[in-house]
Parts: sequence; C-alpha cells; structure tokens
Amino acid sequence: AQRVTQPEKLLSVFKGAPVELKCNYSYSGSPELFWYVQYSRQRLQLLLRHISRESIKGFTADLNKGETSFHLKKPFAQEEDSAMYYCALSRNYGGATNKLIFGTGTLLAVQP
Amino acid sequence: GAVVSQHPSWVICKSGTSVKIECRSLDFQATTMFWYRQFPKQSLMLMATSNEGSKATYEQGVEKDKFLINHASLTLSTLTVTSAHPEDSSFYICSAPREGRDYEQYFGPGTRLTVT
Repeated sequence: AQRVTQPEKLLSVFKGAPVELKCNYSYSGSPELFWYVQYSRQRLQLLLRHISRESIKGFTADLNKGETSFHLKKPFAQEEDSAMYYCALSRNYGGATNKLIFGTGTLLAVQP
Repeated sequence: GAVVSQHPSWVICKSGTSVKIECRSLDFQATTMFWYRQFPKQSLMLMATSNEGSKATYEQGVEKDKFLINHASLTLSTLTVTSAHPEDSSFYICSAPREGRDYEQYFGPGTRLTVT
C-alpha cells in the first residue's frame, strides 16, 4: 500500500536550533517525494522535491531508499519557518499528471 | 506564478441542500484538477481527479453521487456536494498541475463548508 507517515504532529524548537521533520513512505515503485508547506492563513505550496535536490529557504531533504525516508532538515530554524509541513508522495496517473498522497503533517513551531 | 482560485471561500448551508464549489486556474490551463478534503488538524485526503471533457475519477470510498464533479473547461472544475449533511462539513481544497510542470501542483485557498 502507498503511504506517507509523519510521526510527529508537533515539533517545537528554539530559534537557531536545528530542525528535522521526519517522513517515511511505502511505495512499490520509484517514488517521487515532495515537501509542501502551509503558512498561517495561506494556501499549501510546494517547498521542495527530491529530484531537484535544491535547498529552499535553507531546507534540504534527501531521499533514502534504504530507509524509505525523506526527512526535511534545516540547520538553523527561524521564526518565519513556523508552519504546517506536509510530506507527499506522487504516484503516476495516466503516465502524466501525478496524484499526491499526503502525510498527516507536522506543525513546526519555532520559539523566539 | 500560477494561481488557483476557489469560490466561495466559505459557505453555510442547511442540511439537505446542495452546494457548488468552483475551482479555477487563473493564468494557465488545467486538463486535470484534484479535489481534496481536509478535516480539522488532519491531512488532505484526495477525493477525486477531475478530467476536462470526461468523467471524474473517484478515490475509493468517495461517493460519486454525493460529490458531483464537472470539468467543463480547461480552467474550471466544480464540485457539488449534493444533499449535504452535517458530516459533510469540512474544508475542500482543489489543486491543479501546471502544464509542462506536472510534478508541481498549485493549490487553491480552500472552501470551508458548514452544514447546519
């Protein structure tokens, strides 16, 4: 079964502390994984995807196929990072547009 | 950037009535749109895939006759909650992948439905 698991509902850290938001997945094929973020009173938006291997707003995420994980990391948290973070897995739909399976989300609260 | 809008942003209706929610891609065409449902403090659950010019594809457990989807143009998909009941109260969100960048979905702001 295709599934995305985010074990932490809430992660509270102090400003400047490292952050790691955990995400594990189960998927029979080659997964495409994403992190989406939802800031307060804003719509969901793409943060990063594993294929691009980018660092966005200081966040990085590495796909570990052995551990079936895609943890989101940032070395020094900022208050503006406070948001809801969703890990998502894409499964092919008709070979083109991809359906997304979301994890339950982790609320990151960065304390001053 | 690509923008997806939804209308209305919130709606209150009486039990037994039907409610239509619109999802529009404002500056791009979307042959496919997705409809999600989100309960408070829970994740987004994919309800159905809306296909322009053809029938929608529903996820397992989603009642087709309850949640009618119409994708009449390349920029508009509608979700109609028929004979709404209080348990249908939820946050409904649509998304659309941008042409040529189907790996990235653009989300609407959501519609809060409250059925009394």
